[in-house]
Parts: sequence; C-alpha cells; structure tokens
Amino acid sequence: GQQVMQIPQYQHVQEGEDFTTYCNSSTTLSNIQWYKQRPGGHPVFLIQLVKSGEVKKQKRLTFQFGEAKKNSSLHITATQTTDVGTYFCADNTGGFKTIFGAGTRLFVKA
Amino acid sequence: GAGVSQSPSNKVTEKGKDVELRCDPISGHTALYWYRQRLGQGLEFLIYFQGNSAPDKSGLPSDRFSAERTGESVSTLTIQRTQQEDSAVYLCASARMNTEAFFGQGTRLTVV
Repeated sequence: GQQVMQIPQYQHVQEGEDFTTYCNSSTTLSNIQWYKQRPGGHPVFLIQLVKSGEVKKQKRLTFQFGEAKKNSSLHITATQTTDVGTYFCADNTGGFKTIFGAGTRLFVKA
Repeated sequence: GAGVSQSPSNKVTEKGKDVELRCDPISGHTALYWYRQRLGQGLEFLIYFQGNSAPDKSGLPSDRFSAERTGESVSTLTIQRTQQEDSAVYLCASARMNTEAFFGQGTRLTVV
C-alpha cells in the first residue's frame, strides 16, 4: 500500500548550519505535503508540491519534488533555534487518505 | 468553528477504565483522521473517515479501540480497558479532499 519513507530520523545541527530531510516512495505520488510540528505542538501544514521537478521556497526553506514524483526534500538554510521541531512529509495521492512519513526530528544547538 | 477542536485537552485515567475522546472537525471537511503520538515519536495512524464511506480502521491497534463519526461532524475515539501503553497524545485532523490536513491540539492521555 501507500508508504512514504523519511530520513533521517533525527538530525542535530549547530545553529547556522544547513539541514535537509528526505522523503521517498516506491510508487509515484500525485502530490506531497510537508508539515512542521513544534515541541509540544501539533503538526502544521507548510506546503504542497504537485508538479514534477517543482521547487518552492519559503524564506530559508526550500522544498523540492523529484522529476519522477517519487521523492521530495526539505532543505533549511542557516538553521535557527526557531526551526527546532519535527518535519513530516505526507502523501495525499488520489486525494483521499493522507499518509504521513515517520518524521525527521531537528535539534538546533545555539 | 475556526479550527479542529479536541476535548478534553488532558485526561488522566486509571488502568482498566474506559475513556472517550472527542473531535470537532472544521465545518465542511469530509475527511477526519485519528493519530496517536507517543512521546518523541512520529504519527501513528489509527482510523480515517471520508464522508459516508466505510471508515478505514486498519490502524487501530486492538479491539479495545473504536471510533465513530456522525455524518461529517463530530467524532469520538473510545478506548476500553485502558492500559499504560495507551498513554500518548491523540491527535485528530480534518481535511477537504485534495487539500492539507488541519490538526487539533490533541488530547494527552495518561493511564496510571
């Protein structure tokens, strides 16, 4: 069935370093969504990618959707302590049930 | 309402008791999800409702867990004979088709 694999599980960075999390699927995705969950909070939607090879930016965050629509990445440039949290990718292929990856937990050391 | 509302926000219960968790989705959202999140862990899918279709119960961990949804409105998640391993945050989310999921603040369940 639908499944998205997300790596790494954890990432520790020094403030100012870059960070990337990857999401992979064995099947072609119609779209991919990214969410952020702050410590103690609930997941909040960041962005949805739909087109093959699509790249979208939100300030220091860059989201990419692979050409084959089987993988996606989230890259944060020059991390800040406010970036701490867990980043989830999610597959909403078919427009029905949304399947979440396991998440990448980001720790930022000041 | 303005967002997904869950109640109670916190629940402490004794082992063996039943608990009922409530979720009020955003009006007009046909999809409703329940997830369980243990401390420091990811989202564990429990159940999915989509309109009037039969729910996807494939994530329910045991027959002690059940959920209902009335039409496209309120949903309740019931855990019978609670165990300590049921302690977690239970998150509800709702969505329209092809759009993002909106999460509630969650119910933190502690079984003592």
